[in-house]
Amino acid sequence: NAGVTQTPKFQVLKTGQSMTLQCAQDMNHNSMYWYRQDPGMGLRLIYYSASEGTTDKGEVPNGYNVSRLNKREFSLRLESAAPSQTSVYFCASIKAGGLPRYNEQFFGPGTRLTVL
Amino acid sequence: AQKVTQAQTEISVVEKEDVTLDCVYETRDTTYYLFWYKQPPSGELVFLIRRNSFDEQNEISGRYSWNFQKSTSSFNFTITASQVVDSAVYFCALTTDSWGKFQFGAGTQVVVTP
Repeated sequence: NAGVTQTPKFQVLKTGQSMTLQCAQDMNHNSMYWYRQDPGMGLRLIYYSASEGTTDKGEVPNGYNVSRLNKREFSLRLESAAPSQTSVYFCASIKAGGLPRYNEQFFGPGTRLTVL
Repeated sequence: AQKVTQAQTEISVVEKEDVTLDCVYETRDTTYYLFWYKQPPSGELVFLIRRNSFDEQNEISGRYSWNFQKSTSSFNFTITASQVVDSAVYFCALTTDSWGKFQFGAGTQVVVTP
């Protein structure tokens, strides 16, 4: 069991470039999430997918798009990167079975993104 | 709207001292869940505890203990006899959403020196 995996681990972009952050989980979880972590601000939800085929905006969705490719995979795309998107990005998923709210989120190792 | 406040930005202690991390939350929902996560210097997020709004029992797990008080909307975390390995950022989180959307606090950095 790999849990939640993210690629890449590090990335440097120039302003205006695009890229996709990949996330996959092998725990048969239904719901998946993308967060960004900035100093002093905790984790803020960008987008989430409650189940395969659905996606919804979180607290800070501007500048991002997501795709729930299948039950396992949830990708985050930056179409035109900006320096304000320099951050650490975490993917997470919720354990299947029972109500999601009862369960803890499992997190990936994170992607450290720098936009110059 | 939900809100989680961790007013302590950083706490520094010497090994073997106790340290208490404060977490104050706001929600209008009567059913909610609170969580604590640890983020060591390596960066991963490690789940520590989950508590639902109907269970106000305090919990102890080894050197960790949690004090949940609905009357003051607080869910505080104490590390007893701290160790260097406890050095990390600790996050408190709240969910009231059936899809598990979490609201995280800003985190408290704990620094334990030998």
